[in-house]
Amino acid sequence: EVQLVESGGGLVQPGGSLTLSCAASGFTFSSYAMRWVRQAPGKGLECVAGISASGGTTDYTDSVEGRFTISRDTSKTTLYLQMNSLRAEDTAVYYCAKHISFFAVDGMDVWGQGTTVTVSS
Amino acid sequence: EIVLTQSPGTLSLSPGERATLSCRASQPVISAYLGWYQQRPGQAPRLLIYGASSRAAGIPDRFSGGGSGTDFTLTISRLEPEDFAVYYCQQDGTFGQGTKVEIK
Repeated sequence: EVQLVESGGGLVQPGGSLTLSCAASGFTFSSYAMRWVRQAPGKGLECVAGISASGGTTDYTDSVEGRFTISRDTSKTTLYLQMNSLRAEDTAVYYCAKHISFFAVDGMDVWGQGTTVTVSS
Repeated sequence: EIVLTQSPGTLSLSPGERATLSCRASQPVISAYLGWYQQRPGQAPRLLIYGASSRAAGIPDRFSGGGSGTDFTLTISRLEPEDFAVYYCQQDGTFGQGTKVEIK
């Protein structure tokens, strides 16, 4: 079964750090681009960061550039999102998603169940 | 940066009716990268259409996508009860703001 399982969410104070993980199974992890997408309470979807299948190309939305880092470990078939200098506006459900090809530009056909990040004092 | 604008914001229809959702890009986009998603309350998004017009695996044929350049559409030919949800278009790293399809 193709599956993505996120973990690592929680409550963190403004300015703090958190690392999200996404464990992938049921497909050849090294062949597909991956992405983190978030959804603030009552809001729409926002692409946070993407990474190509090789890990050689990454992209970030402007609001997280320089604060968040996306990475992947092929040996562990796991996607990560290192989040630093967290702000209240980073509060959201964070989903990891698998792209349908090598580069993180097309559709995302597999999604995790999401992990909640709350930034509050 | 490309901006995707979806219309209408809310569509009120009855089961069995046809739904037509629009997604307009601020500049011409590559159709191969245009996708549509469905999100039901409390659930993760689900890919419906990729490459502007190709149905994803397991998606019923009442869902169809079309368009090119800056204008794209998602059509649901006959609404089933489970189709009442929010729909998003996506191009590369950008999502539209969503269209809610609600029961009239």
